Amino acid sequence: KNEVEQSPQNLTAQEGEFITINCSYSVGISALHWLQQHPGGGIVSLFMLSSGKKKHGRLIATINIQEKHSSLHITASHPRDSAVYICAVSTLYGNKLVFGAGTILRVKS
Amino acid sequence: DAGVTQSPTHLIKTRGQQVTLRCSPKSGHDTVSWYQQALGQGPQFIFQYYEEEERQRGNFPDRFSGHQFPNYSSELNVNALLLGDSALYLCASSSRRGTAFSYEQYFGPGTRLTVT
Repeated sequence: KNEVEQSPQNLTAQEGEFITINCSYSVGISALHWLQQHPGGGIVSLFMLSSGKKKHGRLIATINIQEKHSSLHITASHPRDSAVYICAVSTLYGNKLVFGAGTILRVKS
Repeated sequence: DAGVTQSPTHLIKTRGQQVTLRCSPKSGHDTVSWYQQALGQGPQFIFQYYEEEERQRGNFPDRFSGHQFPNYSSELNVNALLLGDSALYLCASSSRRGTAFSYEQYFGPGTRLTVT
């Protein structure tokens, strides 16, 4: 079993829909990251959180430390949100990142 | 601030050859981590450099080696290339600041290596 599991693997949504991507982890962490990767490879950090909830524009990230679970929400989705969304955790020692396999999101207009 | 830069962008090599990839960290960062991302998969941790030493290593063979220079830039070397080494190689930088880590990592655009 992978240390970081994401669901769903693939997600297709209509423009304007509310989207949720889930992440569960089984290791001790110091922080959890949500990352966005566009075709071509570049990775952008969306959120880094260790507790509670963070919001940036139409993106919201939450984490439940007790349940070892995090969610990324996108409100009023838009075709430009189409990308791969990756959950990663910083391990307790040394700041190594362990990644989930990613969720491929496609938003249709 | 140029952010994290990597070179080259793309590279094609033949099985058995050796390759060197380069990374310059974001200004003010002193720690460099390397990741391998095979097609359709999440990145996998290769190793991390701080103070010119390898501090942590993932489950990669000794064919993968690295170096960090006094200016914090880093190289990833892969010897005796295999077809399975074809992947996107990502570099990420962060700041250690003594014993405390800044856990936020900034990624470079990656180097796409194709082994034929």
